[in-house]
Amino acid sequence: QKEVEQNSGPLSVPEGAIASLNCTYSDRVSQSFFWYRQYSGKSPELIMSIYSNGDKEDGRFTAQLNKASQYVSLLIRDSQPSDSATYLCAVNSQVTGGSYIPTFGRGTSLIVHP
Amino acid sequence: EAGVTQFPSHSVIEKGQTVTLRCDPISGHDNLYWYRRVMGKEIKFLLHFVKESKQDESGMPNNRFLAERTGGTYSTLKVQPAELEDSGVYFCASSQETLWGREKLFFGSGTQLSVL
Repeated sequence: QKEVEQNSGPLSVPEGAIASLNCTYSDRVSQSFFWYRQYSGKSPELIMSIYSNGDKEDGRFTAQLNKASQYVSLLIRDSQPSDSATYLCAVNSQVTGGSYIPTFGRGTSLIVHP
Repeated sequence: EAGVTQFPSHSVIEKGQTVTLRCDPISGHDNLYWYRRVMGKEIKFLLHFVKESKQDESGMPNNRFLAERTGGTYSTLKVQPAELEDSGVYFCASSQETLWGREKLFFGSGTQLSVL
């Protein structure tokens, strides 16, 4: 059973601070990693994808991947109250038959307070 | 471009009744996934279609759940008979076919199912 682990939080940070969200995964051969954001009562939406070791930056968001440690993180710089949401880590793992199935973590609830 | 649409948005039924959920993926997306989120738990995979074929249904809880995707377009998920533990939010997601598993999912707004 492939697993994706996240601290459920809540993670509370002041406005303007850096929020750091972490995720570990069990499938050593996974190649594709994603962060989705889910506002309360809404559907998840993709905010970042990363496929290679290292950092990937997009605006205020930076995804970090370390395949040796089986660890993915998301940094949000200059956090805003509008960033308050649940952040879901997803890992695409290959299954029998060759297709890929995204496995999700439980999500980390982020609260950015003014 | 229309997104993934699901209906109904909410369904309240009694134990033993039947419910059918529908999902219309983004046009051109061959991959269609069903997921379920029970309160406080992770979004759990149910099954995966590629066009009209069930590629993986290892996440389906039991034979009370039946999914179809006729013609490779919209999909339905039927629960018959419904049990209390089937309550949760059922999400549908679709994606284009990509190489090396880089599929990015586009989610529908979900169906909140409550079984009383």
